Amino acid sequence: GQQLNQSPQSMFIQEGEDVSMNCTSSSIFNTWLWYKQEPGEGPVLLIALYKAGELTSNGRLTAQFGITRKDSFLNISASIPSDVGIYFCAGQGFGNEKLTFGTGTRLTIIP
Amino acid sequence: GAVVSQHPSRVICKSGTSVKIECRSLDFQATTMFWYRQFPKQSLMLMATSNEGSKATYEQGVEKDKFLINHASLTLSTLTVTSAHPEDSSFYICSATGTNSNQPQHFGDGTRLSIL
Repeated sequence: GQQLNQSPQSMFIQEGEDVSMNCTSSSIFNTWLWYKQEPGEGPVLLIALYKAGELTSNGRLTAQFGITRKDSFLNISASIPSDVGIYFCAGQGFGNEKLTFGTGTRLTIIP
Repeated sequence: GAVVSQHPSRVICKSGTSVKIECRSLDFQATTMFWYRQFPKQSLMLMATSNEGSKATYEQGVEKDKFLINHASLTLSTLTVTSAHPEDSSFYICSATGTNSNQPQHFGDGTRLSIL
């Protein structure tokens, strides 16, 4: 099935650093979503974006819906140990509830 | 917030066994439920979309006779892996969304299926 291009694939950072990851697609989407998944668990919704150009924050997380509807980024400021996990973007089409997931970004925090 | 419960969390069984996984929406009516499969170090891949009271829609390459989906109520969908084999071992995750099509999907905690 189709997957979105997500980068970077993995990140190794020190606590306190800022993090940035992004997703791009050849198709336009109606909605962009960002999820976090920890080992052995299902994805947990972090931020949902519904309008092109929209910039939304959730605590230390900020995400934007690209103006072309083909991309989105997620920033995490001042990372902390509990930020460790795999972050997935997901796009949802127009009039279609199906989600297309990105390939994921694995975030590791170096002590 | 919306809560989706999945059961069991882990199953280990012999090859040839059929395994049933339940997905429940605990605090909202889930008109649509989705079933995903995730192999190690990979992303989630949609298997099928299930609407309450109707037949599931399967993604290309997913065998509908092997992965039986039932969505008989607005709070419960089941996935049955029939005659499971080692290659069916994976992490199966369900998600659900309500009557509002703009409502984000909320995911269960997944079921780790291991076929010996």
